[in-house]
Amino acid sequence: DAKTTQPTSMDCAEGRAANLPCNHSTISGNEYVYWYRQIHSQGPQYIIHGLKNNETNEMASLIITEDRKSSTLILPHATLRDTAVYYCIVRVAGGSEKLVFGKGMKLTVNP
Amino acid sequence: KAGVTQTPRYLIKTRGQQVTLSCSPISGHRSVSWYQQTPGQGLQFLFEYFSETQRNKGNFPGRFSGRQFSNSRSEMNVSTLELGDSALYLCASSWMGQEEYFGPGTRLTVT
Repeated sequence: DAKTTQPTSMDCAEGRAANLPCNHSTISGNEYVYWYRQIHSQGPQYIIHGLKNNETNEMASLIITEDRKSSTLILPHATLRDTAVYYCIVRVAGGSEKLVFGKGMKLTVNP
Repeated sequence: KAGVTQTPRYLIKTRGQQVTLSCSPISGHRSVSWYQQTPGQGLQFLFEYFSETQRNKGNFPGRFSGRQFSNSRSEMNVSTLELGDSALYLCASSWMGQEEYFGPGTRLTVT
């Protein structure tokens, strides 16, 4: 079973920041928070991951709360191409632990 | 670097037949994982290979099998196809089990 909880869906206006929340209250000390997204009928796309510090890359920023029980993925300037299902996943990095995908959250970016 | 490639992209088979799907990972990646995606069950882990050895296996019947070659390319095989095997089959590769990069998938239809 997925160890994370996400809203079912969210809307965002084009050009605005999209803040996607995720709860992972049972996260273990050695588990990372990963974010993937899947645009319709394509393979999932890796976005970002982090352990406890905030992370930023060319796609997004990841803010993890100090107690690590929740996190927020931020898309700073959402575009129509960011419309997708976003998955928040916790897992141990490295080794053979599989990715457990929940139902994810559908983000719709509106013009 | 070229991304993960999967062949074929689309496939139609009849119940009872068998099928082999192929995956070429990103150059330098030694871990290859396979996932099945259906509307009802979502994304589910099938198995993972690292250096030609299966390291992890999901909860699928023995009709689903896979292997990895010395060049890290992987194949998965489904024997005695059932209607319920119709799905998008996704392959993902990673370097040492870090973030996984997915291919575009093979859409299998069983009639």
